[in-house]
Amino acid sequence: DGGITQSPKYLFRKEGQNVTLSCEQNLNHDAMYWYRQDPGQGLRLIYYSQIVNDFQKGDIAEGYSVSREKKESFPLTVTSAQKNPTAFYLCARSVGGSSYNEQFFGPGTRLTVL
Amino acid sequence: GQQVMQIPQYQHVQEGEDFTTYCNSSTTLSNIQWYKQRPGGHPVFLIQLVKSGEVKKQKRLTFQFGEAKKNSSLHITATQTTDVGTYFCAASFGNEKLTFGTGTRLTIIP
Repeated sequence: DGGITQSPKYLFRKEGQNVTLSCEQNLNHDAMYWYRQDPGQGLRLIYYSQIVNDFQKGDIAEGYSVSREKKESFPLTVTSAQKNPTAFYLCARSVGGSSYNEQFFGPGTRLTVL
Repeated sequence: GQQVMQIPQYQHVQEGEDFTTYCNSSTTLSNIQWYKQRPGGHPVFLIQLVKSGEVKKQKRLTFQFGEAKKNSSLHITATQTTDVGTYFCAASFGNEKLTFGTGTRLTIIP
């Protein structure tokens, strides 16, 4: 799965609860990304990080938070402020932070908020 | 924000027929990448195009980047059942982010 581990594969939460999705990579790559995919839609960028202790908002960051305390880990928290959190969440890595680098995706986490 | 339009949204073809998906932008692109996502899976990188008018081939797949670097296409010759999935273009507008198209879902009729 592209050297990226995401867990769990399926996640169910009650409305109003925060939930943290795990993303780990073992290839010492600098850049990591979080995308959201809705049925029949493309991937939309939530947050990305090019180096440890630094990250930038993507196109749909509202209601989400991230941290990058270690190079291999980039967890995503879906907060209760996210209006429509049910979606397929994909984490990706790339060697560098340039758009010229191919991205390698993890298997994804399907989040359902009840 | 900047967008890439991808068409068609769906394509159903008989096995052995050809398939093409197109990505279009109103703004010049720095580069464009193509990804394939199998049903229930995650996107997998296929190729990157950088130069104006560039054409690259991978077996039955042909990728093109327009002369003006505003459009790109992926053509599959003689489709097979293994080609089933959703094909995404992902474009860069000169920054470090990729903007994904909405994808074209290909289904094959045996």
